[in-house]
Amino acid sequence: QSVLTQPPSVSAAPGQKVTISCSGINFNIGDYYVSWYLQLPGTAPKLLIYDNTKRPSGIPDRFSGSKSGASATLGITGLQTGDEADYYCGRWDSSLNGYVFGTGTRVTVL
Amino acid sequence: QVQLVQSGAEVRKPGASVKVSCKASGYTFSDYYIYWVRQAPGQGLEWMGRINPDSGGANYAQKFQGRVTMTRDTSITTVYMELTRLRSEDTAVYYCAKVGSSGWSADYWGRGTLVTVSS
Repeated sequence: QSVLTQPPSVSAAPGQKVTISCSGINFNIGDYYVSWYLQLPGTAPKLLIYDNTKRPSGIPDRFSGSKSGASATLGITGLQTGDEADYYCGRWDSSLNGYVFGTGTRVTVL
Repeated sequence: QVQLVQSGAEVRKPGASVKVSCKASGYTFSDYYIYWVRQAPGQGLEWMGRINPDSGGANYAQKFQGRVTMTRDTSITTVYMELTRLRSEDTAVYYCAKVGSSGWSADYWGRGTLVTVSS
């Protein structure tokens, strides 16, 4: 089964930057875009980034996505206490004919 | 605005079935797939499958093959997810999510339905 691996946790002080990686063994197969989701405690996930780099309307440009080779990265600049949440990457996997989520990363603002 | 309104919390005994509904509004129902995603307590997101509201065709994650059925009723713009032979490990929040124009990402999510499986 395809798994997208993320670091369990990242942390930084308010105003700083964090990056979250997302990688998988079949990552280079096919050209399927990566998305990123934010899940605040007790709420449904919310789309942050789609098509590797695009932000839906209303998502601030403090959030950015990139993809290179075997991994994708979510960047959050100007970290705020309201950014404390779980973040998941996701991608269609053609070998599974299904969507796969990353293992999730908890962001903590120190 | 796009809304996905899910049915309320359910409690089932092991071996029973549950059917969760998701009513869509604010967009053309037949134009976008719906995903079903679940999240066990303290765990990550798990994709269960998707349904094409236009054709009614669905494909499921291998883990749920034979136990899950996704259907839709176009007259009331509602999709359903039925999970059978429930076990305690199926206790989770079940989300429906609309797939976006890009074809893969889930751009709008329902608020979730808690299904508790307990004897």
